[in-house]
Amino acid sequence: DIQMTQSPSTLSASVGDRVTIACRASQSVDTLLAWYQQKSGKAPNLLIFGASSLQTGVPSRFSGSGSGTDFTLVISSLQPEDFATYYCQQYKSYSPYTFGQGTKLEVK
Amino acid sequence: EVQLVQSGPEVKKPGESLRISCEASGYRLTRYWISWVRQLPGEGLEWMGSIDPSDSYTTYSPSFEGHVIISTDEARDTAYLQWSSLKASDTAMYYCARHGGVVRVPVGLEDYYYSYMDVWGIGTTVTVSS
Repeated sequence: DIQMTQSPSTLSASVGDRVTIACRASQSVDTLLAWYQQKSGKAPNLLIFGASSLQTGVPSRFSGSGSGTDFTLVISSLQPEDFATYYCQQYKSYSPYTFGQGTKLEVK
Repeated sequence: EVQLVQSGPEVKKPGESLRISCEASGYRLTRYWISWVRQLPGEGLEWMGSIDPSDSYTTYSPSFEGHVIISTDEARDTAYLQWSSLKASDTAMYYCARHGGVVRVPVGLEDYYYSYMDVWGIGTTVTVSS
């Protein structure tokens, strides 16, 4: 299995902050990595695919980078609606598909 | 508008069987793989398995293989997740998701296809309690 490890598990930040969430894969996934946002009580929502491509409708303050084993999600200027939990997920291998454990972004 | 419409909440007893559904709206189910994802209360996302509705090929996470069955009904544009004997530990939220983002990667003379989950259902809550 490809293990996905996110850091930090919890991140405290304020509106307007620039925040960075890291995701590391246990082996190379090339750029076959997606980021999802999950608000409390809601389904996950795709933000980024292909490690750096913004899904249609997602604000440009979100960006992704990385390849191989190390990836980053950046929110350039945090907005009130961005407080949520974020997951990375590799789709290089479906045996099995794997998610990171999640990063909860909370109000500082 | 493309949507995945999931069936409503379920309350069952241990040992009972259950089938929950996920209906594709705005596109034909057979066009893209469907995955099921479990979320235990207060926990993260776990991929359970996927199905290619065009030929019913299925693949399961080792953690779920043998405990659930994923299937589809092409005529109803609907995917299903079913249990024959529920356990209390199956209490969770279950999401279906469409693999609508497909990437073709040529390697030598062969093409490899990879896909990510672009559309999600709102989830079905399953509670198993005696």
